Amino acid sequence: AQTVTQSQPEMSVQEAETVTLSCTYDTSESDYYLFWYKQPPSRQMILVIRQEAYKQQNATENRFSVNFQKAAKSFSLKISDSQLGDAAMYFCAYSYTGTASKLTFGTGTRLQVTL
Amino acid sequence: EPEVTQTPSHQVTQMGQEVILRCVPISNHLYFYWYRQILGQKVEFLVSFYNNEISEKSEIFDDQFSVERPDGSNFTLKIRSTKLEDSAMYFCASLLGGGLNIQYFGAGTRLSVL
Repeated sequence: AQTVTQSQPEMSVQEAETVTLSCTYDTSESDYYLFWYKQPPSRQMILVIRQEAYKQQNATENRFSVNFQKAAKSFSLKISDSQLGDAAMYFCAYSYTGTASKLTFGTGTRLQVTL
Repeated sequence: EPEVTQTPSHQVTQMGQEVILRCVPISNHLYFYWYRQILGQKVEFLVSFYNNEISEKSEIFDDQFSVERPDGSNFTLKIRSTKLEDSAMYFCASLLGGGLNIQYFGAGTRLSVL
């Protein structure tokens, strides 16, 4: 079974600084997807970024980028120029490439952004 | 921008009662999901649904749970006889299909079982 591990329950970053959230996963599949979802206090899950395992290039979305290390099964999220609105719970998630694949989530990292 | 809509936002029920949580997925999406998040814990998969049948279900999704797509727009989760431990946030998600594999989530329904 696939597992996703987020070892940092809480992180803090100052506004305008950069922070990296860690995620490791375990799978026997060779092709899969990895995601970072953001859950603000409103509790809605919002997709931040997505990575396809067969692509070596790290995904980037504006201030958000990932460091995908397939051999190490590591998938970290870097947030640059942190903003107050980035404060949220961040979940790393995995799905295999089969049709209708479920998401398997990590336990989340709560990010605080301070002035 | 199209979004997944869930109603109600908060449902309070007595233990043993039946509840139906409702979701309107994005209109052209083909795959539908329910997830559960007990307060302070991670999001857990319950069930996936495609072509009017369950594709996959987790161990949590026992005989007390059922899903239905009664018409072309709604996707419901029914809990027949609620237990205290069913108290959680329930999220509906939908996925278009065709390779992007991005699930879009609703805002969730908070279920409180008293």
